[in-house]
Amino acid sequence: EAGVAQSPRYKIIEKRQSVAFWCNPISGHATLYWYQQILGQGPKLLIQFQNNGVVDDSQLPKDRFSAERLKGVDSTLKIQPAKLEDSAVYLCASSDQGASGYTFGSGTRLTVV
Amino acid sequence: QKEVEQNSGPLSVPEGAIASLNCTYSDRGSQSFFWYRQYSGKSPELIMFIYSNGDKEDGRFTAQLNKASQYVSLLIRDSQPSDSATYLCAVKPSSGTYKYIFGTGTRLKVLA
Repeated sequence: EAGVAQSPRYKIIEKRQSVAFWCNPISGHATLYWYQQILGQGPKLLIQFQNNGVVDDSQLPKDRFSAERLKGVDSTLKIQPAKLEDSAVYLCASSDQGASGYTFGSGTRLTVV
Repeated sequence: QKEVEQNSGPLSVPEGAIASLNCTYSDRGSQSFFWYRQYSGKSPELIMFIYSNGDKEDGRFTAQLNKASQYVSLLIRDSQPSDSATYLCAVKPSSGTYKYIFGTGTRLKVLA
């Protein structure tokens, strides 16, 4: 089975610019997650979708971050405007029900300068 | 108190030894526990999950869960240099949907 696809792999932007990341989950996986992993830290959940509905976005900085999952498949995560502290790896993961763990994509490494 | 705590390491063990990685969690009602391995510059990959008290073995890996003491551990037998990575503990909280809270990870170095 194909894995979780993410793009781009790397992105360098200046602060105050905007950026978008894309994720395509494993086929049939209803649940999709976006995590932020800052260097030296564990992944932190930003938002969780069940099909195309938001289940948990309690840790998403909504003043600058937004995410959507149209049609319950692909998802995009946007940052506008970016800050230096947003430099991190953004990981997308998907699961069927989550009981057996979920699968991560390769991530997008964002550097804000 | 952090929800999921791990010693950041590095934990250094000689090749062939047993590596023991520990994780404690604060939510007493947590029911699902996961160990992920993350190589430098790569994304986390699931190694094992455990739900019940006791041990669960898979090849060279053994997960141990003690809910009364709120800790979960991962033992790696016959450690190999290729096991050198960061090991992330993840816990599903008792409330809410299927989402995992991750620890900061323990960096393991297996010395040849």
